[in-house]
Amino acid sequence: QKEVEQNSGPLSVPEGAIASLNCTYSDRGSQSFFWYRQYSGKSPELIMFIYSNGDKEDGRFTAQLNKASQYVSLLIRDSQPSDSATYLCAVNTGTGFQKLVFGTGTRLLVSP
Amino acid sequence: SAVISQKPSRDICQRGTSLTIQCQVDSQVTMMFWYRQQPGQSLTLIATANQGSEATYESGFVIDKFPISRPNLTFSTLTVSNMSPEDSSIYLCSVVVAGGPTDTQYFGPGTRLTVL
Repeated sequence: QKEVEQNSGPLSVPEGAIASLNCTYSDRGSQSFFWYRQYSGKSPELIMFIYSNGDKEDGRFTAQLNKASQYVSLLIRDSQPSDSATYLCAVNTGTGFQKLVFGTGTRLLVSP
Repeated sequence: SAVISQKPSRDICQRGTSLTIQCQVDSQVTMMFWYRQQPGQSLTLIATANQGSEATYESGFVIDKFPISRPNLTFSTLTVSNMSPEDSSIYLCSVVVAGGPTDTQYFGPGTRLTVL
């Protein structure tokens, strides 16, 4: 069973703080990892992907991957109330693109 | 990325009827999927829509209930047949865009279905 696990939250952070969202996965053969943001009533929106160990930064977002420990995280710096959403971690197992396995998502609440 | 549209955006249907949802992409894509997202839940993959052949269904989903067509590389339909209130959900199509360091998956805006 290929699983992706996330804490459902809610994760509450004050405006301006760093939000840290974590995800673990069970399949060691997983190749690429994606973070989606989903606002209530909207469809998931791709934020970032990562496929190499280490950090990848894009604006206020940093994705971190540790394949040895089988976890991937998303850091949001200078969190804004507009970042309040559910964040979905998704994992592509195997080589080449296959269907993504999604976590259940972490709800983030950023308070002004 | 890809521009994906879905029709209808929402509908309210009576039990026992069927609804066909359309998904249109602005470029040719190899891989296209259909998902369901029930209220407060994460995404559940229904099937992979295969161009020129029958869709590949996930466990728990069958062709008689969710027939899928994919006549070309830019279009697909999902039909929800003989609906019941349990089918009330958001239905999403998604596509995989190849290229760059890794293939990436994008979602359409979704179809919100309510079955009475």
